[in-house]
Parts: sequence; structure tokens; C-alpha cells
Amino acid sequence: RKEVEQDPGPFNVPEGATVAFNCTYSNSASQSFFWYRQDCRKEPKLLMSVYSSGNEDGRFTAQLNRASQYISLLIRDSKLSDSATYLCVVNVGQNFVFGPGTRLSVLP
Amino acid sequence: NAGVTQTPKFRVLKTGQSMTLLCAQDMNHEYMYWYRQDPGMGLRLIHYSVGEGTTAKGEVPDGYNVSRLKKQNFLLGLESAAPSQTSVYFCASSLASHWETQYFGPGTRLLVL
Repeated sequence: RKEVEQDPGPFNVPEGATVAFNCTYSNSASQSFFWYRQDCRKEPKLLMSVYSSGNEDGRFTAQLNRASQYISLLIRDSKLSDSATYLCVVNVGQNFVFGPGTRLSVLP
Repeated sequence: NAGVTQTPKFRVLKTGQSMTLLCAQDMNHEYMYWYRQDPGMGLRLIHYSVGEGTTAKGEVPDGYNVSRLKKQNFLLGLESAAPSQTSVYFCASSLASHWETQYFGPGTRLLVL
């Protein structure tokens, strides 16, 4: 089993739609969790950290379920500019493991 | 404030050639990382450094060497390039903790023929 797995995608959604991404991780000792965004042929950039209580940043909501070792990202009211690949990142010991990413295309 | 920069942006090598990728950051970050990204694989950690003069192996270190002689620079070397090393290489840096946000450079695209 891979250490971090994500929905394979791609997700093609119309503008204004709500879309949810799922991520599972295998190491129960993991302590920190992030969502990064990567535009085509660009570097990854932090979208948001994921806290145990869940957190929200504008249209983006992240949830963590430690018992199920599951992380989610919800995007409401999708914009064209949200089109990108979303990477789930989990710490394993002192290092981070990146998931393969889920590609989102928001269509006009 | 340039953040994290990488040199070169693109390179083509023949099998067996050597090269060095340079990463520089101006944010006074202690930690620096080298990743490679391949289709469908996600980013994989090659080597990392938690401070000047220190380096450690990541998930896929074979075929690569690194050096951190100055705090702001992290070099990745390929002594004898192989086609399997064709990839996009990203450097990243962060404050003195593996829990902090990583800031990435723009990447280096390497093609080994």
C-alpha cells in the first residue's frame, strides 16, 4: 500500500460547483498534514494546513479523520482559477510524503 | 526577495555525463530539500539538509549526491546520469522544522538520453 493515496481524477466540474478530494495515509503516527496546489508545469505551493479540528479558508475546507487515516479537501463555488493539481502531504517521521495528486479542471 | 531559485531551468544530458543542480534561497531557512517528480508518482524526496554542513538521505537517494557548504545553497549532483533520472527536480526550503511550510523553487527539467 502506498503511504499516501489520493483520488486519481481528473475531476472536471462546471464553475460554481462544489468538489471534494479524498486522501488516505498509511502511517498512523503521522502528525502533520497539508494540502498543496500545483499548477501545470509550476512548483507546488501551500494551499492550507490541516488541523485535527478541521479548518476553513474562504471557499476551502479541510478535514482530518485520524481514526480512519483520511484527509479531505472541499472546494465550494469553484472558479476557473481553481484548475490545478491538488497534492495531499503527510509527515512520515522527519520527512514529508506527497500523494500523487488529483487534477481538477473547472469548466466555464 | 527571490525566494527559492534553481539553476538551470532545463538541461539535456547524455547517459554517463555528470552535472550539478544548484538551489539557492534567500529566506534564511535552515532546512532544504531535493525532490524529483515523475508522472503518477508524486514528489519523492532525494536528499535533505537540516543545516549548513549536514545532509541526509531521503526516499530515493541512489545515483545522487548533495552538498550544503553554505546555508543558502543546496547542490544536487549526478555523477553518471542514467535515463531513469529523467525527471523534474524541485528544491524546497523551510524554517527549522519539518512541520513548517515548504517553499519550492520553479524546478529543473532534466532529460537524459
